[in-house]
Amino acid sequence: GAVVSQHPSWVICKSGTSVKIECRSLDFQATTMFWYRQFPKQSLMLMATSNEGSKATYEQGVEKDKFLINHASLTLSTLTVTSAHPEDSSFYICSARRNNARTEQYFGPGTRLTVT
Amino acid sequence: EDQVTQSPEALRLQEGESSSLNCSYTVSGLRGLFWYRQDPGKGPEFLFTLYSAGEEKEKERLKATLTKKESFLHITAPKPEDSATYLCAVRSPAGAGNNRKLIWGLGTSLAVNP
Repeated sequence: GAVVSQHPSWVICKSGTSVKIECRSLDFQATTMFWYRQFPKQSLMLMATSNEGSKATYEQGVEKDKFLINHASLTLSTLTVTSAHPEDSSFYICSARRNNARTEQYFGPGTRLTVT
Repeated sequence: EDQVTQSPEALRLQEGESSSLNCSYTVSGLRGLFWYRQDPGKGPEFLFTLYSAGEEKEKERLKATLTKKESFLHITAPKPEDSATYLCAVRSPAGAGNNRKLIWGLGTSLAVNP
């Protein structure tokens, strides 16, 4: 199988602080990783695409200085929400794809972020 | 514009009552159609990938089929544990190689009553 983990599974932080979320592919090498956010009863919204060793490609409307993405290795990507505000509260999910652009994405279990 | 539409939005079945979920798509050059299952508060779980019209894939009580305009997810004799949201996505031809992203439908929320 293809297993993707995320840590933490949930986090509560105060406004103005930064939060880092880790995404790891446990049993395969992921050339490309994706970060999504999902609001209640809505579908997935792609935030950014990251390729190992390269700068992330952000979707329109996503602030790259607020949502810092690092993909330093073939098994680890991180998303840092900087100077978090209550409107950043959401469910963040990462996914990883094997070293072949035609293949499916495997998703992590998600991280519930609450900013107070 | 590339688009994915899923229907129905919600479906309630009795245990054992077979049915189908629909995923209609418009994309200029399909490069893969994907079905996922998502349970509340969890990330999507990969089910199937389909690449060409006429292709079919099966897994337990689920069977996915693909035509040039739509895909169906057939659920045979469903059980309560099949209750979940089923998401459909197509890979957009836009963008280069690794950066080609998925275009998602809004999902079908399935509830199977015992």
